[in-house]
Amino acid sequence: EVQLVESGGGLVQPGGSLRLSCAASGFIFSNYEMNWVRQAPGKGLEWVSYINGGGSTRYYADSVKGRFTISRDNAQSSLFLQMNSLRAEDTAVYYCAREGSGAPAGFEYWGHGTLVTVSS
Amino acid sequence: QAGLTQPPSVSKGLRQTATLTCSGDSNNVGNDGATWLQHHQGHPPKLLSYRNNNRPSGISERFSASRSGNTASLTITGLQPEDEADYYCSAWDPSLGAWVFGGGTKLTVL
Repeated sequence: EVQLVESGGGLVQPGGSLRLSCAASGFIFSNYEMNWVRQAPGKGLEWVSYINGGGSTRYYADSVKGRFTISRDNAQSSLFLQMNSLRAEDTAVYYCAREGSGAPAGFEYWGHGTLVTVSS
Repeated sequence: QAGLTQPPSVSKGLRQTATLTCSGDSNNVGNDGATWLQHHQGHPPKLLSYRNNNRPSGISERFSASRSGNTASLTITGLQPEDEADYYCSAWDPSLGAWVFGGGTKLTVL
């Protein structure tokens, strides 16, 4: 069974940093592209970042470019999101999402999310 | 990154058919098609369809997707109370190197 479990969320002050993790199981992690998607309170889903299976290709939403860094450890079946220079508008539930086979195949599996609150 | 366009809300009666739309452009929806997600608040989103009308295993045949040009559609037949949710379309845009999302449609089943 595919499982994605996010962790690392919490309360952080504006300008601060946070590192999110996503532990994957139930599939060959290195074979799949992974993403972070977020949902701010009362808002819709927003794609944040993408990384390919080998970790050599990364893409970012304009809203986080230069502040967030996506990475992965295939040996540990883990996905990460390093978030720096956090702003109030980064407050959201952050989901780890695995794409299906044969890109682009959509976000086939999701974790339950981790809440990040940026506030003083 | 410009998003896809979805109507904010749609209301239909029990056992009726709802069609949700999603407008993009030739770089995203018109290129590789759209994917559709169902989201009940408090739960992770669920993938309903990808690349226009491919359904993941376990998704009911009541959900079907299509595309005409730069507009994608999701049709839900025989509406049930549990279909009441937010529905999002998304598409990969290689010109942006980004996934783009629609703003979501809140479906109400009367």
